[in-house]
Amino acid sequence: QSALTQPRSVSGSPGQSVTISCTGTSSDIGGYDYVSWYQQHPGKAPKLVIYDVDKRPSGVPDRFSGSKSGNTASLTISGLQAEDEADYHCSSYAGYYGVFGGGTKLTVL
Amino acid sequence: EVQLVESGGGLVQPGGSLRLSCAASGFTFSSYRMHWVRQVPGKGLVWVSRINSDGSSPSYADSVKGRFTISRDNARNTLFLQMDSLRAEDTAVYYCARDYQGLAYWGQGTLVTVSS
Repeated sequence: QSALTQPRSVSGSPGQSVTISCTGTSSDIGGYDYVSWYQQHPGKAPKLVIYDVDKRPSGVPDRFSGSKSGNTASLTISGLQAEDEADYHCSSYAGYYGVFGGGTKLTVL
Repeated sequence: EVQLVESGGGLVQPGGSLRLSCAASGFTFSSYRMHWVRQVPGKGLVWVSRINSDGSSPSYADSVKGRFTISRDNARNTLFLQMDSLRAEDTAVYYCARDYQGLAYWGQGTLVTVSS
């Protein structure tokens, strides 16, 4: 039950694209197509932005996209907007368990 | 409207116990697997436990196994987390979350502080 690995921080200017990586193992990310991504603003509960690797819940802009290759998943946010500045957490199903990454702080310059 | 409302957090001494509750409304609670996730303020999310829709197959993070017990009362639409032998490192905000196509619904969290 080791945490997934995310960069501590990423940044981009408005209108640009950024990609956040999330690395696990064959027991979690590599073994299942059940990767989720959560956006969290300070003092708020997490909000689901991607599930099942690349699916967007209703109401999430199509600027948010997800992908996976082997044991690494990625979240890409295109056309960055000021309101995208937040913490982003990846998560994966891992059999009977769940596992999260350490979180990535996205700064919009 | 789906709502999850946690309660039961507070200050407890090391070695003590707390029981968290998560009251669910706006959906058929008995149809969904549920999770507890915790977060030390300023840190990442950490998965704690989950339970199937019918109360079967509870599972736990290694860090809480043997000390925490997840349960649910589908008649009362409520999820529970019994936390025993609490340690300073259990200090965190505890969230409950509904599992279907990701954790799409979360409560607002309840703060648990373990300190003497």
